[in-house]
Amino acid sequence: QVQLVQSGAEVKKPGASVKVSCKASGYTFSNYYMHWVRQAPGQGLEWMGIINTSGGTTTYAQKFQGRVTMTRDTSTSTVYMELSSLRSEDTAVYYCARAQGVYWGQGTLVTVSS
Amino acid sequence: DIQMTQSPSSLSASVGDRVTITCRASQSISSYLNWFQQKPGKAPKLLISAASSLQSGVPSRFSGSGSGTDFSLTISNLQAEDFATYYCQQTYNTPFTFGPGTKVDIK
Repeated sequence: QVQLVQSGAEVKKPGASVKVSCKASGYTFSNYYMHWVRQAPGQGLEWMGIINTSGGTTTYAQKFQGRVTMTRDTSTSTVYMELSSLRSEDTAVYYCARAQGVYWGQGTLVTVSS
Repeated sequence: DIQMTQSPSSLSASVGDRVTITCRASQSISSYLNWFQQKPGKAPKLLISAASSLQSGVPSRFSGSGSGTDFSLTISNLQAEDFATYYCQQTYNTPFTFGPGTKVDIK
């Protein structure tokens, strides 16, 4: 069965970076793009970007351009999302989601606090 | 970027009610519209894709319609497990923006 398993919760200081992983199993990894979506506490869903797991090309939301990097490792069927220059407003649950949105990771809470 | 709006932002309903949520895009998105259901502390669940295509395993009381800029999600015969927040999302152009959500709670 398809599973997306994300790395555990993180606490970071303002200005630091965080790297969240999402390990896929149960399907051919490179056949499906992967999205990253985040949700701040009590807020709605925010689309961050997408990675082509086959070729590695990425498209990011303008809001995150220059701060986000999405990569993949086809040998381990894992995608990564790194967000830099963290600020308190980046406190959120970060989700990976396989295109076309049927399968989601369990979410990773990233807390940014001094 | 394509902006998505939803109405209402929240509603109160009773079990057995028929509920309709609307979603509007700031420009035509053809039928590139998803509907998600989210319960507290859980990842979103895809209910409907391509505006009206019900996902496998989703009860038939959920239905979607619309194309272009105006869309709707209808839940007929609302059940207790349907109390949740619902989001639309356009997948016509990146960024694949979500609507702000509609919270459905118990009257």
